[in-house]
Amino acid sequence: GNSVTQMEGPVTLSEEAFLTINCTYTATGYPSLFWYVQYPGEGLQLLLKATKADDKGSNKGFEATYRKETTSFHLEKGSVQVSDSAVYFCALSASSGNTGKLIFGQGTTLQVKP
Amino acid sequence: DVKVTQSSRYLVKRTGEKVFLECVQDMDHENMFWYRQDPGLGLRLIYFSYDVKMKEKGDIPEGYSVSREKKERFSLILESASTNQTSMYLCASSLLQGGSEKLFFGSGTQLSVL
Repeated sequence: GNSVTQMEGPVTLSEEAFLTINCTYTATGYPSLFWYVQYPGEGLQLLLKATKADDKGSNKGFEATYRKETTSFHLEKGSVQVSDSAVYFCALSASSGNTGKLIFGQGTTLQVKP
Repeated sequence: DVKVTQSSRYLVKRTGEKVFLECVQDMDHENMFWYRQDPGLGLRLIYFSYDVKMKEKGDIPEGYSVSREKKERFSLILESASTNQTSMYLCASSLLQGGSEKLFFGSGTQLSVL
């Protein structure tokens, strides 16, 4: 079946450090891939997405490239800030059309220290 | 901005009680979802609905039911609450955007069953 695996956290970084959060997936067909972020006390928000192989999603300095050959969608940011501290979820949507059935990874907690 | 509102932020119930979690969205979205979020497990889909009075089981429907009498409101019902249903419950609605869906989440209801 379809699944998403994220690197385990928590990830602790100093401000301005480089961030990578690994995400790999298993899916039949051609899924869409997403990164969602959950700030403390809030619901999840869409951070970025990619809908086909080699697409790069980007937002707020974060980037992720859809790699079909390695079934990966790693999240990167060149210089993190304290305000980036949150839980990050990788997800896939394997169904076409009007479904919205996302499969989420287990989430990775990022803590950025000043 | 899209708003998804969950009626309670924190809820404490006793084993065996019937529990209602309410969710309202204000953007006329067709699709609505209930997920539960548990540490180390990410988000898991309980039930979803494509339209009024329509519902489909997600990955973990056991012990839950749902109701969608109006388009904007999607209720999750725990018929007889048990301690293993202690969790964070997240409601979401979706907009089909550019061929892939974007979910909008509420802030969540932390349910404790004693």
